[in-house]
This record gives sequence, structure tokens and C-alpha cells, in this order.
Amino acid sequence: AQSVTQPDIHITVSEGASLELRCNYSYGATPYLFWYVQSPGQGLQLLLKYFSGDTLVQGIKGFEAEFKRSQSSFNLRKPSVHWSDAAEYFCAVGPFNTDKLIFGTGTRLQVFP
Amino acid sequence: KAGVTQTPRYLIKTRGQQVTLSCSPISGHRSVSWYQQTPGQGLQFLFEYFSETQRNKGNFPGRFSGRQFSNSRSEMNVSTLELGDSALYLCASSLVDRLGNEQFFGPGTRLTVL
Repeated sequence: AQSVTQPDIHITVSEGASLELRCNYSYGATPYLFWYVQSPGQGLQLLLKYFSGDTLVQGIKGFEAEFKRSQSSFNLRKPSVHWSDAAEYFCAVGPFNTDKLIFGTGTRLQVFP
Repeated sequence: KAGVTQTPRYLIKTRGQQVTLSCSPISGHRSVSWYQQTPGQGLQFLFEYFSETQRNKGNFPGRFSGRQFSNSRSEMNVSTLELGDSALYLCASSLVDRLGNEQFFGPGTRLTVL
């Protein structure tokens, strides 16, 4: 079955600390992978995406993610977290050229000053 | 360029009623998808429309339906509302080209069923 697992429901970090949000997927075909961020009361904003090529992907707001096929993972990282990064983060997987995404359950990030 | 717009932003209905939500995609985008977001089930795909045709459908009962117009605007309808239909309904649009889809989400419509 196709699925996305985000094992961490809630993560708390101090401002300036590094961050890694985990994402594991199960998908039969070549996956098209995404990370989205959602602030309270808002829709989803795309941080980055991966389909092929370089397995280290750079996104907006200083985020990056690394695709590891052998581990079926697509972890999101940021070297130094800002208070404005506090939000909920969703990993998603889908087929190429359709919009039918499967989302993980999300990780809520809290940032302390 | 304007983003994806959804109307209304908030809606309160009672059980048994029906509701229609509207989504206007980004100009030039031909694909529109709908997702339901609830605390219990998370984000779940409802359906995708491309060029006025439903291209994909999620695992939702027939009470959930949608359509897309020639200008790519889309509506979704939920009939015979149940308490469990209370959710944030998100619409997303994408260009659909050879580079793969990047979906842009609207702010959502918050539906409360009493």
C-alpha cells in the first residue's frame, strides 16, 4: 500500500538550532516527493520537491531535503531554525503528472527563543 | 499573479443540508484538486479535475462530488452533510507540464457541520 510516515508528531527546538524532520514513504513506482508547510489558518506552501536527479534538493526559506532510495526516506533539514519556522510540516508522495498526493500525518514544529 | 482563491472561507451548516464550495485556480492552471483536512484523518485526497474531466478520485462516498468549468474554476458539493464532514477543504491547482506537477494550495474553506 502507498503511504507516508512522519514518525514525529511534535518537535520542539530552540531558535538557531538545527532541524531534521523525518519522512518515510512506501510507493510502488518512482516517487515524486514533496515537503509542504502549513501555518495556522493557512493553506499549504510548497517548500521543495524531488522527482529525479541530485538527491539533495534545495528549497525555499533555507530548507533542504535528501532523498535516500535505499531507506525510502526524504528527510527535511534546516541548519538554523528561526522562530517564524514554527508551523506544521507535511511530507507527501505522488505519481508524476497527476495531483493525487498522499500526505503524511504532519509534524508540528515549535520554536523556543 | 493571483493565487488560488476559495470561497467561502467559513461555512456553518446543519446535518442533512448540502454545501457547495468554490475554487478559482491560478490563471493558466488547468488541473484542480480537492483535499479534506481533519485532525483525525489528516490530509486526504478527494478528487482531481483536468480539462473539465475527473482524472482521479479518492476514497470518499458518493455524497462528495465535484466539477470543473471551461475556465478551470471548480466546485465541490457535499450532500446530506454529516457531523464528520466538518473539516478544512483545500483546493490546489497545478500547471500540468512535462516537469511534473507542483500544486499551489488555496487558504481553504472551513466547514462546520452542526
